[in-house]
Amino acid sequence: AQTVTQSQPEMSVQEAETVTLSCTYDTSENNYYLFWYKQPPSRQMILVIRQEAYKQQNATENRFSVNFQKAAKSFSLKISDSQLGDTAMYFCAFMKYIQDDMRFGAGTRLTVKP
Amino acid sequence: NAGVTQTPKFRILKIGQSMTLQCTQDMNHNYMYWYRQDPGMGLKLIYYSVGAGITDKGEVPNGYNVSRSTTEDFPLRLELAAPSQTSVYFCASRQGATSGELFFGEGSRLTVL
Repeated sequence: AQTVTQSQPEMSVQEAETVTLSCTYDTSENNYYLFWYKQPPSRQMILVIRQEAYKQQNATENRFSVNFQKAAKSFSLKISDSQLGDTAMYFCAFMKYIQDDMRFGAGTRLTVKP
Repeated sequence: NAGVTQTPKFRILKIGQSMTLQCTQDMNHNYMYWYRQDPGMGLKLIYYSVGAGITDKGEVPNGYNVSRSTTEDFPLRLELAAPSQTSVYFCASRQGATSGELFFGEGSRLTVL
């Protein structure tokens, strides 16, 4: 079974600075998706960024980018120019390509300080 | 733009009571899911469905039942509620096997006393 590990339960960053959240996963599959979801205090789960394992290029979405290391099974999220609205729980998730379910890590609580 | 809609948003149950959490999506997605999120934890899959009439167990199915009679609706039934079922429940959907992204509802907070 696939497992997703987020080793940082909590992190904080000053507004406008950069922060990196870590995620590792365990799988024997070659084709899969990886995701970062954001959960603000409103509880709504919001997709931040996704990466297909067959793509070597790291995904970017505005201030959010990933460092995908397939051999190391590592998928970190970098948030640049942090904003107060980035304060949330961040979940890393894994899904096999052509698969029925998505597995989540335990989450990292990020606080952006003014 | 309704997306995935869950009701109710909050509910308090007594031990042994039963209830149904409703979930409906208007995106014509084939795949639907129920997750639970315990305090400070990630999401664990309860049940999922790959299409009308087809359901399957996830990681933590005990104490729950589901049905999928239409593409739009995927209700989650709690029989004989227990304090261990106190959690936030999320319904989600996605279009198909290779579509990747899950679309989530806003969650339903259930407390069993």
